Amino acid sequence: NAGVTQTPKFHILKIGQSMTLQCTQDMNHNYMYWYRQDPGMGLKLIYYSVGAGITDKGEVPNGYNVSRSTTEDFPLRLELAAPSQTSVYFCASSYGPDTQYFGPGTRLTVL
Amino acid sequence: KQEVTQIPAALSVPEGENLVLNCSFTDSAIYNLQWFRQDPGKGLTSLLLIQSSQREQTSGRLNASLDKSSGRSTLYIAASQPGDSATYLCAVRPGGATNKLIFGTGTLLAVQP
Repeated sequence: NAGVTQTPKFHILKIGQSMTLQCTQDMNHNYMYWYRQDPGMGLKLIYYSVGAGITDKGEVPNGYNVSRSTTEDFPLRLELAAPSQTSVYFCASSYGPDTQYFGPGTRLTVL
Repeated sequence: KQEVTQIPAALSVPEGENLVLNCSFTDSAIYNLQWFRQDPGKGLTSLLLIQSSQREQTSGRLNASLDKSSGRSTLYIAASQPGDSATYLCAVRPGGATNKLIFGTGTLLAVQP
């Protein structure tokens, strides 16, 4: 099992541009999550999904969108990127509300 | 609103020492608590998960305890090794809202050889 994979690993975006961060898991987990981690801070939940076709907002959803068309994939879309979205983004998955497994992260810089 | 605090923010110990990392949370109505390890530039690795009905969990040299009534959890690391150097994060899953984790800001541990 590859676990949770994320692409790209690094990216630089210009203000106002859009992009999609990809996340795939091969553990057949029903729950998937997107977090952001700012320097010296804990992780904050952006969006989550409890199954294909079902998504919901977390603590910091503004400026982001998600979709969940399959069990395996949970892409995160950034529209009109702003410098405040410079962060490290982590995708995670779990089977129900138990242990979450994390991807390696995407380090995003908005200039 | 649930808040999670980890003190100290950083800790340096000599190799071989036993140590305790602390995590406190403001609302005792939790579903579970999870301890993670994060290496520099890497993702998070789950170490231990304690359900709200449990008092402790053990894995190798690690032992995590949970005292819901006082809003505290500790992670005990026995016979520390340089390879244990990392940031340790605790996260609480609030009761009722079972789809999110509230993270602390972590303790950066350095084990000196």
